[in-house]
Amino acid sequence: GQQLNQSPQSMFIQEGEDVSMNCTSSSIFNTWLWYKQDPGEGPVLLIALYKAGELTSNGRLTAQFGITRKDSFLNISASIPSDVGIYFCAGQIKTGNQFYFGTGTSLTVIP
Amino acid sequence: GAGVSQSPSNKVTEKGKDVELRCDPISGHTALYWYRQRLGQGLEFLIYFQGNSAPDKSGLPSDRFSAERTGESVSTLTIQRTQQEDSAVYLCASSFGTGGYEQYFGPGTRLTVT
Repeated sequence: GQQLNQSPQSMFIQEGEDVSMNCTSSSIFNTWLWYKQDPGEGPVLLIALYKAGELTSNGRLTAQFGITRKDSFLNISASIPSDVGIYFCAGQIKTGNQFYFGTGTSLTVIP
Repeated sequence: GAGVSQSPSNKVTEKGKDVELRCDPISGHTALYWYRQRLGQGLEFLIYFQGNSAPDKSGLPSDRFSAERTGESVSTLTIQRTQQEDSAVYLCASSFGTGGYEQYFGPGTRLTVT
């Protein structure tokens, strides 16, 4: 299957700092999604991106659909303790096809 | 409204036994997905149902795995002759429409094979 490389694998940051993570693929995707997963829960959708170059915000979160359509970025500004969790990217090559998920970025926020 | 629900939330079974995992998608969602998540790993696609189309089974790891869906409602993932490497969290997601956009996940079933 497709490989989505997500980095960094883990992050330890101080509360209030900004966070940046990214996801790259070897294939061109037409949709990128970003999810957050808390322990013992299913992933929760944060942001959906449908167009190359698109920049979308959801509160303190901002995500971008890379212009090459092979990457996406997620930024979190002014982190707070409840941002702790695992963040996953997911991409879809063709509408109606399956989504491929990245390996996740584990975020720890130190108060 | 109600989200995606899965049952059981936890299942412990002996190696060699069969197990059935259930997923109730959000009402009106035509697409349903099953994923496997091993401890500390990402999500591994298993199977995808879309309406009345033939399911995409390309992610099923072996013929011990199968899934069914009744119309656009409940789905059952069956694992026969379970092995210890089947231990994982099995997540179900549903989405509205053929685009597969914005999948909404259930809480998962944690399967432990002893």
